[in-house]
Order: sequence, then structure tokens, then C-alpha cells
Amino acid sequence: NAGVTQTPKFQVLKTGQSMTLQCAQDMNHEYMSWYRQDPGMGLRLIHYSVGAGITDQGEVPNGYNVSRSTTEDFPLRLLSAAPSQTSVYFCASSRTSGDGDTGELFFGEGSRLTVL
Amino acid sequence: KNQVEQSPQSLIILEGKNCTLQCNYTVSPFSNLRWYKQDTGRGPVSLTIMTFSENTKSNGRYTATLDADTKQSSLHITASQLSDSASYICVVSAGNTDKLIFGTGTRLQVFP
Repeated sequence: NAGVTQTPKFQVLKTGQSMTLQCAQDMNHEYMSWYRQDPGMGLRLIHYSVGAGITDQGEVPNGYNVSRSTTEDFPLRLLSAAPSQTSVYFCASSRTSGDGDTGELFFGEGSRLTVL
Repeated sequence: KNQVEQSPQSLIILEGKNCTLQCNYTVSPFSNLRWYKQDTGRGPVSLTIMTFSENTKSNGRYTATLDADTKQSSLHITASQLSDSASYICVVSAGNTDKLIFGTGTRLQVFP
């Protein structure tokens, strides 16, 4: 059981380049989300999805795009990378919306992105 | 404003000793409180989830307490091991918005 799988683990981009961070889960979870983690700050929600075909913005959505064509996959696209997007990105999934009393959030191992 | 504050920011203890990490929150309405462990370079892993009616929950050597009246939680680690070296993140769920508010974490280092 792989859980939540993120690729790539490391990526270096130049300003203005675009790329996609991949996320897949094999637990049949309806809820999936993307967070970024920066030094001295708590995890911040970028985008989330409560099911296939449904996505919504989180706290810091600017510069990012998502889609959810299947239950398993939730890719995060950086449209035109900026140095401010240098961060560690985590994908997470849960069986419920994430705040139910059994909504344990399962995280991937993270993708470390550096934008030069 | 919904906030989660953790203390201390960092902590160093010797192997075998106990320690307690603190979490204060100003989230309303409250749904549940979670503690996560994050090893360096890895994703967070859930330790406990507590609802309003639960005031103590254990997971092996980890025991979380919750005082919903004072809006405080603590995570007690008993007989620490080197593998306990990690960041511990407190997360509170706001019941009316499905939003999770993350603390900045306490970095624990356990030395032999």
C-alpha cells in the first residue's frame, strides 16, 4: 500500500518556467489537497479537492493551478515559476473533508522546489 | 483571527527523559485537534486526533491532552528515544469552514 506518492522529490526551475508536481493516492480518498511549507511558517493550503471534477482555492492559490480528473490523481501546476515559490510542497489526502472526527490526513513525502 | 501557537520552538533532551510540548489555539468554532510528527525531509504523520469531548488520547509513548475551556493542548512524550527527534505540529480544525490551521511546530532533538 503506497499511500500518497509525490513526484518529483526535488526540482530546480528557472524563473518563468512551468512544471507540474504529481500526486497520486491509492486509498480511494475523496479529499485531496496541496500545501506548501516554508521556514518559520505553518503549512499553508494552496488548493484542494473534495472529489473528482471538483477543486477549490485554499489560502495561497496565486500562481498555481490544479485539476482532478480521477479520484487517484491531483497534479499541481506552476504556471510561471517565481523565486517566491521556492518551497517544499506536500500533497495530502483523507477519507473525509479533512475536519471530520475521523478525517485523518495522510501526507506524501514532499517535493522540494527551488526557483532561481 | 484563528491561530495556533506552539511552544517551545525547539527543545533538546537526553534519551530516556520525558518532555511536554504545548499548543495554544484561538480557533472558533472548534472541531478537533491533531498532533503530527514530521521527520526531517519527510511528510507529517498523524499521532492523534481529539474531538471536543476527549481530554486525553494516547498513541504508544505519546499522550495528548486537550483542555477545550482554556484552548490548550499538550503532547507528552515518555521515555524519549533517538527516533523521537522530529518536528511536532499541532493542527486545529475550524468546524464551520472545514479549514485546518497549522502551528509552526516544535523541533525536538533527542541526544544519547
